[in-house]
Amino acid sequence: QKEVEQDPGPLSVPEGAIVSLNCTYSNSAFQYFMWYRQYSRKGPELLMYTYSSGNKEDGRFTAQVDKSSKYISLFIRDSQPSDSATYLCAMREDSSYKLIFGSGTRLLVRP
Amino acid sequence: DTEVTQTPKHLVMGMTNKKSLKCEQHMGHRAMYWYKQKAKKPPELMFVYSYEKLSINESVPSRFSPECPNSSLLNLHLHALQPEDSALYLCASSQDEGRQAFFGQGTRLTVV
Repeated sequence: QKEVEQDPGPLSVPEGAIVSLNCTYSNSAFQYFMWYRQYSRKGPELLMYTYSSGNKEDGRFTAQVDKSSKYISLFIRDSQPSDSATYLCAMREDSSYKLIFGSGTRLLVRP
Repeated sequence: DTEVTQTPKHLVMGMTNKKSLKCEQHMGHRAMYWYKQKAKKPPELMFVYSYEKLSINESVPSRFSPECPNSSLLNLHLHALQPEDSALYLCASSQDEGRQAFFGQGTRLTVV
């Protein structure tokens, strides 16, 4: 079993839809949770960063962490075609340099 | 400014060549990373430098040799690579362990 599981998609939605992206994990020591967006042939861009449990909102993006269920989510409101990309969740333990990535979910937002 | 700059953007090299990838950040971050990413896969950690000292080497073959000349610069020296080493090589930095990591745009390497 992988430490971090993420549905690879592709996930196809119409423009304006609310998108929900999720990851589950098995290591209860993970404390830091990140979401990255990666366009084709580019480096990952940090979207959201959360420490421990709770919600965080930034514009159209909301990140949720539920440590009791070992489940994290990224919601994108009013999705745009420019949101079409691969979304990677990543997490790490406290005082660890090692980021553990999910496999990434490909999102396609149709005009 | 959350910019990590990598050069070159693209590199084609033969199996007998020696080349270097370069990475620079001016955010005052004390941890710098090299990752390798194959198509449709997540990034895989290769090396971590913390305070200019190598702290993690993920059993990477010796044909990849990292170097951290100072706190802002990170190099990856390449020698006698194989075609299967063709990938996107990503540099990242973070303030310290546990903080969010910022990635560069990568160097797309092709070994012929």
